Amino acid sequence: NAGVTQTPKFRVLKTGQSMTLLCAQDMNHEYMYWYRQDPGMGLRLIHYSVGEGTTAKGEVPDGYNVSRLKKQNFLLGLESAAPSQTSVYFCASSYSPSVYEQYFGPGTRLTVT
Amino acid sequence: AQSVTQLDSHVSVSEGTPVLLRCNYSSSYSPSLFWYVQHPNKGLQLLLKYTSAATLVKGINGFEAEFKKSETSFHLTKPSAHMSDAAEYFCVAETGTASKLTFGTGTRLQVTL
Repeated sequence: NAGVTQTPKFRVLKTGQSMTLLCAQDMNHEYMYWYRQDPGMGLRLIHYSVGEGTTAKGEVPDGYNVSRLKKQNFLLGLESAAPSQTSVYFCASSYSPSVYEQYFGPGTRLTVT
Repeated sequence: AQSVTQLDSHVSVSEGTPVLLRCNYSSSYSPSLFWYVQHPNKGLQLLLKYTSAATLVKGINGFEAEFKKSETSFHLTKPSAHMSDAAEYFCVAETGTASKLTFGTGTRLQVTL
């Protein structure tokens, strides 16, 4: 089991460019999440999905879009990157809410100049 | 609304001495609570979780936490710190819907010789 993997690990973008971050899990989890981590602020939920074909907004969704076309993949898109989106992005997955633990990927460090 | 407050942004202890990382939560009901650890440039790893079965929860690597409803606290302790414990620790509450997590701002634990 690879667990939760994220691609890419690092990326530098110029303001206005677009990109997609890929999260993949091989644990057959229904629930998947995207977080961003900024210094002194912990992790904040961007978007989440409760199953294939579903997505929902989290705490800080503006400027991001997501898709869950396949159960094992959860994509996070930035259509027009801004310096405020410089952050470390973490993907996580979990079983149904009755089993609460989330498993995290290694993170993607994104810098927008 | 759920919120989590970690009372110390930075804690420094000597190797072999006890560790105490403090966390308070606010919720209209008893939430599920977690402690996660993040080593430098790594993803998050679950240390322990409280889901109302027992108020004293034992986790990995000798850590434990006690849920005190009267004090709305969930402090993390370890009897004897090891150099490998140096990391960032997050207290986290689960909101009860779609396993969404609310993170504290983190406590950086430094362990000195």
